[in-house]
Amino acid sequence: DAKTTQPNSMESNEEEPVHLPCNHSTISGTDYIHWYRQLPSQGPEYVIHGLTSNVNNRMASLAIAEDRKSSTLILHRATLRDAAVYYCILRGFSGGYNKLIFGAGTRLAVHP
Amino acid sequence: EAGVAQSPRYKIIEKRQSVAFWCNPISGHATLYWYQQILGQGPKLLIQFQNNGVVDDSQLPKDRFSAERLKGVDSTLKIQPAKLEDSAVYLCASRRLAGEENEQFFGPGTRLTVL
Repeated sequence: DAKTTQPNSMESNEEEPVHLPCNHSTISGTDYIHWYRQLPSQGPEYVIHGLTSNVNNRMASLAIAEDRKSSTLILHRATLRDAAVYYCILRGFSGGYNKLIFGAGTRLAVHP
Repeated sequence: EAGVAQSPRYKIIEKRQSVAFWCNPISGHATLYWYQQILGQGPKLLIQFQNNGVVDDSQLPKDRFSAERLKGVDSTLKIQPAKLEDSAVYLCASRRLAGEENEQFFGPGTRLTVL
């Protein structure tokens, strides 16, 4: 299974943009890039996913490098509620059924 | 739309005892997952069901863990007997359909403490 590398932790100030990096140099051509986040004492929640092109939704933007070996999750204006662990995951197949393999993620702290 | 429901939310048992967790996925979701999350780590997939069939249980410690999904809806995960290292949060997730690129929805988890 292809792996991702993320910084252990990052900090941001409220209302500022946050760029969360992820390296995935062994990504295969069919791997989707997924981002989930986990708020304290909750289950993970989906943020965004993409394959080759940059993606935007109401929560965040996903910028994917042209060679797909890295990606960046962008929170345009961080709020205190965005303090969470962010997981960058390559969605791979197992026996024809896809699964997510979580790493340790990046713990984002947001300061008032 | 109701989310993924799990019960109990917390459970404390002594080692060598048995415990069971219950999960009710989002209505209509064909795929169901059980994850184990040890403190400070990301979730680890234990087992994946497609309807009521198992499609991946490669990470499930089958000597003590078992899971079933009768009628392709609710699921139970059992540990018998429990060990100290089983202390973790057990997360259930569901997804609408296999073969589509859609997201998993997670429940709040059951926090298990084995003494």
